[in-house]
Amino acid sequence: QLQLQESGPGLVKPSETLSLTCTVSGGSISSSSYYWGWIRQPPGKGLEWIGSIYYSGSTYYNPSLKSRVTISVDTSKKQFSLKVSAVTAADTAVYYCARGRESYRGAFFDYWGQGTLVTVSS
Amino acid sequence: QSVLTQPPSVSEAPRQRVTISCSGSSSNIGNNAVNWYQQLPGKAPKFVIYYDDLLPSGVSDRFSGSKSGTSASLAISGLQSEDEADYYCAAWDDRLNGVVFGGGTKLTVL
Repeated sequence: QLQLQESGPGLVKPSETLSLTCTVSGGSISSSSYYWGWIRQPPGKGLEWIGSIYYSGSTYYNPSLKSRVTISVDTSKKQFSLKVSAVTAADTAVYYCARGRESYRGAFFDYWGQGTLVTVSS
Repeated sequence: QSVLTQPPSVSEAPRQRVTISCSGSSSNIGNNAVNWYQQLPGKAPKFVIYYDDLLPSGVSDRFSGSKSGTSASLAISGLQSEDEADYYCAAWDDRLNGVVFGGGTKLTVL
């Protein structure tokens, strides 16, 4: 059974960089059949897609966050990571990592981590 | 303001049927598959419908999805208290070149 686990600081100061890692277990991170993504959810609000990284190394980011976000993958460690720079209180959210599946019909996230709350505060 | 529009809340009695709508445009729902996610209180989202109308293994067949033009719907029949959750639609948006989610619908089983 595939499992994803987010890890990283739960508290980040304004203007600093938020860094999270997602560790994949019970399956391969290197398969071309899948891609990997980050989604966040501010307290009491809805889901917001942050970005995704594909087997080819291609990345896609939410246009509203693109200038501050970097997603990368380390296949040797079976991990992928998220960095969000110049954070403000608006970046306070539960951050989820997820596996995506894609075919000619479309794409969706089939496995999600449990989520980790990141608070931006001095 | 979400790109995909969902009603904030719906409610229905146990054993009844409820539908949740999701409205978009030609750049998302009109040209790409819609997926639906269920989020139980305090839990991570879980996909309950993918590629417009496909049911994942292990998900109750009380759940069904449909799409017409730039709108999609999630239907849940034989409502049970365990169905109380937030439901989100999602699709790829060709104009934004990314995934867009609906604002979410809170389902209350009366």
